[in-house]
Amino acid sequence: DAMVIQNPRYQVTQFGKPVTLSCSQTLNHNVMYWYQQKSSQAPKLLFHYYDKDFNNEADTPDNFQSRRPNTSFCFLDIRSPGLGDAAMYLCATSRGLSPYEQYFGPGTRLTVT
Amino acid sequence: TQLLEQSPQFLSIQEGENLTVYCNSSSVFSSLQWYRQEPGEGPVLLVTVVTGGEVKKLKRLTFQFGDARKDSSLHITAAQPGDTGLYLCAGANTNAGKSTFGDGTTLTVKP
Repeated sequence: DAMVIQNPRYQVTQFGKPVTLSCSQTLNHNVMYWYQQKSSQAPKLLFHYYDKDFNNEADTPDNFQSRRPNTSFCFLDIRSPGLGDAAMYLCATSRGLSPYEQYFGPGTRLTVT
Repeated sequence: TQLLEQSPQFLSIQEGENLTVYCNSSSVFSSLQWYRQEPGEGPVLLVTVVTGGEVKKLKRLTFQFGDARKDSSLHITAAQPGDTGLYLCAGANTNAGKSTFGDGTTLTVKP
């Protein structure tokens, strides 16, 4: 009965080779988030969707893009991965923007070779 | 930018000991969440506190929201190895439209 599912759990890509990470949810939540997390640091918000409205963080590199084709699915596209993009990528959902309780997926560990 | 500072950053204790983790800010939050994250997994929501001075208990874990809603603490009684993980606080402000995460406290409980 997984609620937020991320595929794959582990992804290896080559330097500069585009990669897509996927997230799906069975909670029917309005908001979906993408975070980047490096070695036991706090998750860093990249962007979020409120329904179809896309909200990009000011410091998110243009190399990172996202798509949300429907309520259940959200994708993270990294157009040209660099070595510095190796990290855990977390997808999360919330029912709305208050009280901001977020439900996280298990994450995708991205390795860039 | 709202900042949340967590302390200590790292904590290593023996099974059975008590501990407190702090989450402090100069900003007022409409609500605050605590999460626990195990290695290789996503954070799991533990609790949400909303009212200043609120205290919530989850088995051996006690969460408190400061009266001014700027800080919070997590107290664990008789820690067990299963409590090991990264503890994250996240403060939410309605005007900001998102949560701010603290840097986390990495807790290791040794058997």
